[in-house]
Amino acid sequence: IAGITQAPTSQILAAGRRMTLRCTQDMRHNAMYWYRQDLGLGLRLIHYSNTAGTTGKGEVPDGYSVSRANTDDFPLTLASAVPSQTSVYFCASSDSSSPGDTQYFGPGTRLTVL
Amino acid sequence: GQNIDQPTEMTATEGAIVQINCTYQTSGFNGLFWYQQHAGEAPTFLSYNVLDGLEEKGRFSSFLSRSKGYSYLLLKELQMKDSASYLCAVLDSNYQLIWGAGTKLIIKP
Repeated sequence: IAGITQAPTSQILAAGRRMTLRCTQDMRHNAMYWYRQDLGLGLRLIHYSNTAGTTGKGEVPDGYSVSRANTDDFPLTLASAVPSQTSVYFCASSDSSSPGDTQYFGPGTRLTVL
Repeated sequence: GQNIDQPTEMTATEGAIVQINCTYQTSGFNGLFWYQQHAGEAPTFLSYNVLDGLEEKGRFSSFLSRSKGYSYLLLKELQMKDSASYLCAVLDSNYQLIWGAGTKLIIKP
């Protein structure tokens, strides 16, 4: 059982380029999330999906889009990358059967936008 | 606004006990989480408190006081592998997690 996988592990991207970060889970969790983590700040929610076919905006959604075509996959797209999007991106999933809908995290993608 | 406060950094000695505090002000409360995050890795779940009191899980314990907006994570018999950041997060009224910036714990021999 892999849990949650993310790809790529790291990426250096030129400003203005389009980039999709991939996230796949094999736990059949209903809810999935994308966070960014920056030094000195807490994890900040970008977008989330409570179930396949639905998505919602988090705290910092601007410049990002997501889709949830099926239960397992939740890709995050940067339409036109900017340097302020340099960050570590974590995908997470949760199951309503666990206490407080405990979230489980993927290994992260380290993105640098130049 | 919503706010989670925890110390930026703490230092402790191997074998000792350390308490990491977290205070919160959020719109609603549906539970408080503690996660551990080693450098360069993903956060991993440690504990969840929704009722007042102490929850013990091996060397780690977590305490919650909802009336005071306060929690702490207690780590006993510290080991070098406990060197990590500890993240406090509150599940708000919309069932979204609000995260603190984390406490970096440094363990010295």
